[in-house]
This record gives sequence, structure tokens and C-alpha cells, in this order.
Amino acid sequence: DTAVSQTPKYLVTQMGNDKSIKCEQNLGHDTMYWYKQDSKKFLKIMFSYNNKELIINETVPNRFSPKSPDKAHLNLHINSLELGDSAVYFCASSQGFRDWGETQYFGPGTRLLVL
Amino acid sequence: EDKVVQSPLSLVVHEGDTVTLNCSYEVTNFRSLLWYKQEKKAPTFLFMLTSSGIEKKSGRLSSILDKKELFSILNITATQTGDSAVYLCAVEAWAGGTSYGKLTFGQGTILTVHP
Repeated sequence: DTAVSQTPKYLVTQMGNDKSIKCEQNLGHDTMYWYKQDSKKFLKIMFSYNNKELIINETVPNRFSPKSPDKAHLNLHINSLELGDSAVYFCASSQGFRDWGETQYFGPGTRLLVL
Repeated sequence: EDKVVQSPLSLVVHEGDTVTLNCSYEVTNFRSLLWYKQEKKAPTFLFMLTSSGIEKKSGRLSSILDKKELFSILNITATQTGDSAVYLCAVEAWAGGTSYGKLTFGQGTILTVHP
């Protein structure tokens, strides 16, 4: 069973288009995240939601809008795509409240290419 | 701003060699340090370290954290070709006084193990 799944796996689109990436986790976790990994393999957090509430919102253009319909889903919508948005986008989830550190489990990634 | 630096950036060894990967960090409100292995797709969790001086071990991999000197090492003994991957170090900080983990990743160490 896939713990954290993302669709689509690959997305090729033209500049200016709007696209969405979906993420679902079946781990019963409370917290979900979106990360962007650029060509240099640097993973950088974009957003975090806990129980459908936005918790972390890093410096990301407001063309990116996350939406969490329920705690098992966190979707990422991108408006007016630009060449620089080309990257691999990873969704992750973690349990949420704990006194010790969180282990985040990653989805397989969505490779976005903007032409 | 939180910062995680890994060294070396890349490493090429032969099967059977032992390698040591380094991770140093500057993070406000440290909570935990995590090691991930990334092959072609999603980062997969290896270890989470929260206390200084306690070694975590899993087979040929082990890791230790020094909270005083702000670094961690990941050791791999008797390397195999299947160990070839990018090894990512991430530090979790408390985000805004809550327990929602914000991960800051290092740039990764690319390990290549030749037969």
C-alpha cells in the first residue's frame, strides 16, 4: 500500500498555464507538507498544513496556492506557470504533535517541466 | 536563517570501503536531525537523532549527533553498490512555538560506490 501518493508523476506544460498536483496520505497523519527540489537537488519547504490549517508558508510566489480539503489530502495549485517552476515537487506527511522530533514520509514526487 | 551544510558534496568509493558523511547546522529552536537516502525518487527515512552522543544503528549504517558542536555524522561500513544515492541531512526546528516540524535540508552528499 502506498503511504504517500502524488498525481501526476510527470507534468509537462506550457508557460502561462495553470496546473494542479494532488497528494494523499493513508498514514493517518495530521501534518502534510509540500517541498520543491530544484535541479541542484536542494529540497526546500514550501507549505505545511496541520489538520487542514496552514502552519508553514515559506517565501513562495502567491501563484502557488495549497488547498487541504481534509487532513489526508493536500493539493498544490500553480497559476501562470513560469520556466523557473520546473522542478520536482514532493509531498510529505508526519504524525503531528509529539514531544520529540517528527519523521516525515515523502511521496514519489511530481516532475514538472514548464516549456 | 536556519542553515544545514553537508560535506563532502560528492564521494566516490569502491565496494567494501567505509565512508563518513558530515552534516553541520545552525538552527534556532533545534528539535531533531534526520538523515534520508534519496535514490531516483522520494527521500526515504534512515535515522532521527534528538539526543547528543547516542548512536543510532541500522545494519551497516550508523549515525551520531553532537548538539554541543552542532553536527552529525553518518557512517556506512562495507559499502555496496546499492548504497549509491544522495544522502540528505535535515534539521527540524520548532516552528513558531508549536510542534510543527519545519525541516531545513542540506544540499546532500552524492555517494557513488563502484564494484
